[in-house]
Amino acid sequence: QVQLQQWGAGLLRPSETLSLTCAVDGDSLSGYYWSWIRQSPGKGLEWIGEINHTGSTKYNPSLKSRVATSVDTSKNQISLKLTSVTAADTAIYYCARGEITILSWCDPWGQGTLVTVSS
Amino acid sequence: DIQMTQSPSSLSAPVGDRVTITCQASQDISKYLNWYQQKPGKAPQLLIYDTSRLQRGVPSRFSGSGSGTDFTFTISSLQPEDLATYYCQQYDNLPPTFGGGTKVEIK
Repeated sequence: QVQLQQWGAGLLRPSETLSLTCAVDGDSLSGYYWSWIRQSPGKGLEWIGEINHTGSTKYNPSLKSRVATSVDTSKNQISLKLTSVTAADTAIYYCARGEITILSWCDPWGQGTLVTVSS
Repeated sequence: DIQMTQSPSSLSAPVGDRVTITCQASQDISKYLNWYQQKPGKAPQLLIYDTSRLQRGVPSRFSGSGSGTDFTFTISSLQPEDLATYYCQQYDNLPPTFGGGTKVEIK
């Protein structure tokens, strides 16, 4: 059974960089795309982007200038960085497994990490 | 971005009732639609992919149908454990987008 365990800083000040890591247990990174999604009361569920084990990525155009994702196949982990955060980036951030093709469905999801941006 | 409009935004029904949620896309997305269930305090969980395919392990009382711009999600017999918010998601175009959610409560 695949499990995704994520962690990262939960409180940031405006202009700082959000950094989250997601460890995959029970499956290899190979053969799937791995997604980041966030959820906030104001914007609902918002897809951030996805990456596969080779480092091929797709990003939401609305966030593309501030987002970077990476993979560490030796640790079976993926990571998310979002630069220059503002209060609008306050949300629960999730990692999730996709499918072998880009843009598909997400299952399973990590437990979520609440990130709050406040001065 | 493709806009996904779900209705209703909330509903309340007794155990055993048939519940239907609709999702309308702002443009044709063929069959590229998924449905998720999110229980309070938990991450979303995939129930249905490709409009009508039931994810492994998901009870058969959940079903989906539709194509193009209009889609339907049905719970054939509502159970107490179905208390949750349900979301549709299109993946025909970048970026994938979600509906606003339908909160299902038990009467």
